[in-house]
Amino acid sequence: DAGVTQSPTHLIKTRGQHVTLRCSPISGHKSVSWYQQVLGQGPQFIFQYYEKEERGRGNFPDRFSARQFPNYSSELNVNALLLGDSALYLCASRVFGANVLTFGAGSRLTVL
Amino acid sequence: AQSVTQLGSHVSVSEGALVLLRCNYSSSVPPYLFWYVQYPNQGLQLLLKYTSAATLVKGINGFEAEFKKSETSFHLTKPSAHMSDAAEYFCAVSDDPGAQKLVFGQGTRLTINP
Repeated sequence: DAGVTQSPTHLIKTRGQHVTLRCSPISGHKSVSWYQQVLGQGPQFIFQYYEKEERGRGNFPDRFSARQFPNYSSELNVNALLLGDSALYLCASRVFGANVLTFGAGSRLTVL
Repeated sequence: AQSVTQLGSHVSVSEGALVLLRCNYSSSVPPYLFWYVQYPNQGLQLLLKYTSAATLVKGINGFEAEFKKSETSFHLTKPSAHMSDAAEYFCAVSDDPGAQKLVFGQGTRLTINP
């Protein structure tokens, strides 16, 4: 089975631009979470979605938004990019009833 | 609020030596605790988890961790280090059974010396 897949794997943007990151969960997983990992730090929770509804949000500004589609894939959008948004963005999925997240390899965003 | 403290941002051991990575947590409710490993340019891979069953948890690749409530600790150990164990290790805590929202520590980089 395919794991959690994320795209793009790497991208470079400039300050003020907008970015969209995509995530496809493992087949059968209806819950998706997003994490931001700044270089040298542990991942920080951004959003959780289950059955297309937001179920949790971390301490991130409104420039960050996400959505989940009927096929359970998800997008993370970041507007008005700042240099500090440079990070590895990780998507994770979970099957209902389990208590383990499976992470994708991430999308590495560089903001210049 | 929950938090995780990993003591030592960098640990270096010789091949064949004991690996000990320290993790202390803070939680107002019984915690769910995890150790993840991250290899260069990769995502996170689950090593093991504690979910209120046995206090000594065995994971993949010969790693294990012991939950000590009195010490609020969940240290990760491996009796004999292998070169392939070189990676970044993260301890994480969650307060919900679904463990969807994890709070991670800062990570410990493990280096194995030949």
